Amino acid sequence: NAGVMQNPRHLVRRRGQEARLRCSPMKGHSHVYWYRQLPEEGLKFMVYLQKENIIDESGMPKERFSAEFPKEGPSILRIQQVVRGDSAAYFCASSPSGVWRGYTFGSGTRLTVV
Amino acid sequence: AQTVTQSQPEMSVQEAETVTLSCTYDTSESDYYLFWYKQPPSRQMILVIRQEAYKQQNATENRFSVNFQKAAKSFSLKISDSQLGDAAMYFCAYRTQGGSEKLVFGKGMKLTVNP
Repeated sequence: NAGVMQNPRHLVRRRGQEARLRCSPMKGHSHVYWYRQLPEEGLKFMVYLQKENIIDESGMPKERFSAEFPKEGPSILRIQQVVRGDSAAYFCASSPSGVWRGYTFGSGTRLTVV
Repeated sequence: AQTVTQSQPEMSVQEAETVTLSCTYDTSESDYYLFWYKQPPSRQMILVIRQEAYKQQNATENRFSVNFQKAAKSFSLKISDSQLGDAAMYFCAYRTQGGSEKLVFGKGMKLTVNP
């Protein structure tokens, strides 16, 4: 079991470009979470998804950010028209359905906006 | 809304000695989970230990143990026989029992282990 796979590991974008971050959950896990870690900060919840459904997006900025977890393929966090303040590490975590026993985190994607 | 506070941004400990990391939280709920995560320079978030609020017994995992004081809303982590590999950022986190299963993290504390 390869664990939670995130790619790319590092992503550099110019201001105004789009960033697409991918997360493949652990095999058998149907719940995906995205967190953002700003420099010198803890992780902040962004969104919680199950297959084809957004369950809780209370941590997502209202504009430019979107997330999906399609029936097939990885979960995608998309940031349109990136700004310098979007520079951060973005972490994905997954868990199985049923009794919650905790997350497994990926290694994160570090986004740098230049 | 729940909050998690780690008031010490940095600590250091000598190898083989014991260190305690502090964490307090604020909630009106009676049932919840608490966690300590370790983040080494590789950036990977590694679960160190977890505690269910309804359990009175403090959780232990090898050299790691917690002191959970529910009334005081305190959740400290004790690392015994510190090793060089324990050097990392440590984050305290809170999760409610119901709802969307999201975690609320503290700002973290950088632990340095001196040889």
